[in-house]
Amino acid sequence: EAQVTQNPRYLITVTGKKLTVTCSQNMNHEYMSWYRQDPGLGLRQIYYSMNVEVTDKGDVPEGYKVSRKEKRNFPLILESPSPNQTSLYFCASSLTRFAGGQNEQFFGPGTRLTVL
Amino acid sequence: RKEVEQDPGPFNVPEGATVAFNCTYSNSASQSFFWYRQDCRKEPKLLMSVYSSGNEDGRFTAQLNRASQYISLLIRDSKLSDSATYLCVVSPSGTYKYIFGTGTRLKVLA
Repeated sequence: EAQVTQNPRYLITVTGKKLTVTCSQNMNHEYMSWYRQDPGLGLRQIYYSMNVEVTDKGDVPEGYKVSRKEKRNFPLILESPSPNQTSLYFCASSLTRFAGGQNEQFFGPGTRLTVL
Repeated sequence: RKEVEQDPGPFNVPEGATVAFNCTYSNSASQSFFWYRQDCRKEPKLLMSVYSSGNEDGRFTAQLNRASQYISLLIRDSKLSDSATYLCVVSPSGTYKYIFGTGTRLKVLA
């Protein structure tokens, strides 16, 4: 089954404790992206990757890191989480890196993160 | 001004009604447009892409007005199952970014 998976689905942690949220897709997609969703603010793009070893900042990259060492995986790293990073996080992928094209993004099920 | 703006709603409509949502965008260089549907904090799913000439998929019709910088979504013969939040998404030309609106909530009432 074609899908985007994220782990963990739920996480409660404390300020400053490094964490990684994994994202994996089995569709051989080039483009992958991370979003956070907050009430009243909608989905905001954190980082995206056009292909292996190629990443760039979205609109809200502060406090996050990413890597793309393999085509299928795109982990999101919070080196020192803070309470303002409490949010619902979605990973997404699409076939090509050309966002200008009509490319559907497939989303993972989301990770609900709480930072105390 | 937000790059992509939507009326948050909720739009409460009876079954069988026709409802329309608009979404305005500020970047005139925007090139790709989409409508996604999101159910109760689940993952967004593509409803339809929006093409320059407008496009239809069953009960759903999407239109693009570049001159006025808005896209629209029309839902005919609303079903209870159409109750969801509809997200407008814009991708500016020459970027790899996607910009989401905050969504319009639709409730279809029996």
